[in-house]
Amino acid sequence: QVQLQESGPGLVKPSETLSLTCTVSGYSISSGYYWGWIRQPPGKGLEWIGSIYHSGSTYYNPSLKSRVTISVDTSKNQFSLKLSSVTAADTAVYYCARVDSSGYFHFDYWGQGTLVTVSS
Amino acid sequence: SSELTQDPAVSVALGQTVRITCQGDSLRSYYASWYQQKPGQAPVLVIYGKNNRPSGIPDRFSGSTSGNTASLTITGAQAEDEADYYCNSRDSSGKHWVFGGGTKLTVL
Repeated sequence: QVQLQESGPGLVKPSETLSLTCTVSGYSISSGYYWGWIRQPPGKGLEWIGSIYHSGSTYYNPSLKSRVTISVDTSKNQFSLKLSSVTAADTAVYYCARVDSSGYFHFDYWGQGTLVTVSS
Repeated sequence: SSELTQDPAVSVALGQTVRITCQGDSLRSYYASWYQQKPGQAPVLVIYGKNNRPSGIPDRFSGSTSGNTASLTITGAQAEDEADYYCNSRDSSGKHWVFGGGTKLTVL
C-alpha cells in the first residue's frame, strides 16, 4: 500500500521560505510516476502547486512559479517543496500526492496534509 | 484556458440521483478526475479516466464527458456521500494541472 507523509514546520514567518518534505512508503519513487504538491487555504478549494517526475523534471503552477522549487531525493524516497517569500496568503493545508501517469495523470494517493501558518 | 468551473453547491434527496458538473476547455483534450473531500480529511479519488473507479469506491459513483463538460453522477445518493467534490485535469498545455473550485454536496 502506497503511503505518503508530509513533514515540516507548522509555522513560518512572513518573507521566509516554507519547506516541506513528503516521505513515500510502499513504492519506490525511482520506479516512475510524477509526484505533486497541492494546497488548500482554510475554507477554500484545492490549488495545484507543482509536480515532479521521478527523473527530476518539474512543472509549476504559473501563478507560483517564481517562488516554488520542487526536488526529489530518490535515495531517501522523498520529494520536497520550497516556497519562498511567503505571506499570510500562503497559509494552507499542504498535501503531497502521487500522480498516476500510466494513463490519465490523476492523483491516486494523498498524504494526510499538514497545516502551515504564515505569521510573525 | 486553464480554468475548470463547478457549481458551488448542489443538493440531492436521500436515495436520488445527482450530477455534479465541471466545465473547461481542457476537458476536450484530457479526462477529468474527481475527488471527494470530507471535513478535516484529505481528498479521495473517486473517478478517473473515461469512467474508472479505484478499488473500494462504490459503483453508485460514475463519470462521463461530453464536449467541454465532465460529470460525476451519484446514483442513489447516501448520507455518507455528503462532501465537497473537486474535478481536476491537466490544462490545455498538458504541462500543468488545475482543480475546479469545488461543489458542496448536501444530501437531504
